[in-house]
Amino acid sequence: NAGVTQTPKFQVLKTGQSMTLQCAQDMNHNSMYWYRQDPGMGLRLIYYSASEGTTDKGEVPNGYNVSRLNKREFSLRLESAAPSQTSVYFCASSESTGGSYGYTFGSGTRLTVV
Amino acid sequence: TQLLEQSPQFLSIQEGENLTVYCNSSSVFSSLQWYRQEPGEGPVLLVTVVTGGEVKKLKRLTFQFGDARKDSSLHITAAQPGDTGLYLCAGAPNTGNQFYFGTGTSLTVIP
Repeated sequence: NAGVTQTPKFQVLKTGQSMTLQCAQDMNHNSMYWYRQDPGMGLRLIYYSASEGTTDKGEVPNGYNVSRLNKREFSLRLESAAPSQTSVYFCASSESTGGSYGYTFGSGTRLTVV
Repeated sequence: TQLLEQSPQFLSIQEGENLTVYCNSSSVFSSLQWYRQEPGEGPVLLVTVVTGGEVKKLKRLTFQFGDARKDSSLHITAAQPGDTGLYLCAGAPNTGNQFYFGTGTSLTVIP
């Protein structure tokens, strides 16, 4: 039971470089999410996709773009990385938005921008 | 400004002690969840509460949702080293579609 799989686990970028974080779930969930976790700030929602074909901004979307490639996959792209984007990124999925069914999280991507 | 405030931020106790952590907000939530996160991993769902005043038990963990659905508590009886981790509450306000997480309580249980 893979659940939610994120790649890569670790990444170091130089300021201005771009990269895509990949996320895939095998639970046939409709909704997928990208969060970032920073010390003292908790988990903050970047973008979410309520269902295949839709995406919406969360609390902190600036500097990010997302693609819901199909029902299984939801990617997060940093077009021009900045040191303020140094964080741990988590992908999550749920049966529906609102989270009443609970979220399943991946194990995270630790990103450092130098 | 955090929608969900958790206290205490850090807690270090001896094995066998009891503890309570709190999750408070000025907003009303349609549901509230508790997660535990271990280092290097994503949060794992422990429980969901949906009804004001609801109490749920999960072995040594007791979760309570406030009558007004604005706050919640997690009580752990006879803490064990395996309980060590970051405890996060999360909820969906009555208005809107987003789900918000608190800043967490970092618990260390010393053997």
